[in-house]
Amino acid sequence: DAGITQSPRHKVTETGTPVTLRCHQTENHRYMYWYRQDPGHGLRLIHYSYGVKDTDKGEVSDGYSVSRSKTEDFLLTLESATSSQTSVYFCATSPGGMNTQYFGPGTRLTVL
Amino acid sequence: EDQVTQSPEALRLQEGESSSLNCSYTVSGLRGLFWYRQDPGKGPEFLFTLYSAGEEKEKERLKATLTKKESFLHITAPKPEDSATYLCAVQAPDFGNEKLTFGTGTRLTIIP
Repeated sequence: DAGITQSPRHKVTETGTPVTLRCHQTENHRYMYWYRQDPGHGLRLIHYSYGVKDTDKGEVSDGYSVSRSKTEDFLLTLESATSSQTSVYFCATSPGGMNTQYFGPGTRLTVL
Repeated sequence: EDQVTQSPEALRLQEGESSSLNCSYTVSGLRGLFWYRQDPGKGPEFLFTLYSAGEEKEKERLKATLTKKESFLHITAPKPEDSATYLCAVQAPDFGNEKLTFGTGTRLTIIP
């Protein structure tokens, strides 16, 4: 296991409110990823980071932003949550871009 | 068009009844194919990585194989604790070498 924690584990919020999800790792992995998982779609990449302050978009990045100011922390922000962002969010880390990704326990987000 | 397709969507087996799960992909220049196991309410857990056609890897009752178009996860004499959703993912230049593209998974149920 890569020593990955996510917080909060569950959150219910209202449409239009900002939400920040946190991923923390203790493995000193260079790469960190945010995915969302929805029925019928599988895991889809939102954003990823290849180093401190270095980030790039995934396939479903609209409505999301990320920040990484320290190696161990990767934040995902929904600036104004919408019901379509109700999902389970997973963080993953990897020592290198071509290496195995290890996943955190997930955050279940409900936007009412 | 789906580029990573898993079949069947769901599979129910009696304890001890061996079977195989399929992951087919339509990418060129495969860098790696990954198998994960996911239990309800948890993050995906890494099982195997395969890099080239003909490669096989085993772990307990699971064996993963790879051809140029698909991968199989063979489950021999399964037990109820093997019940989970099994995900495959590919890494290829088509998607960006640093990213994984996932299938939607096969939900496996082993009946005692």
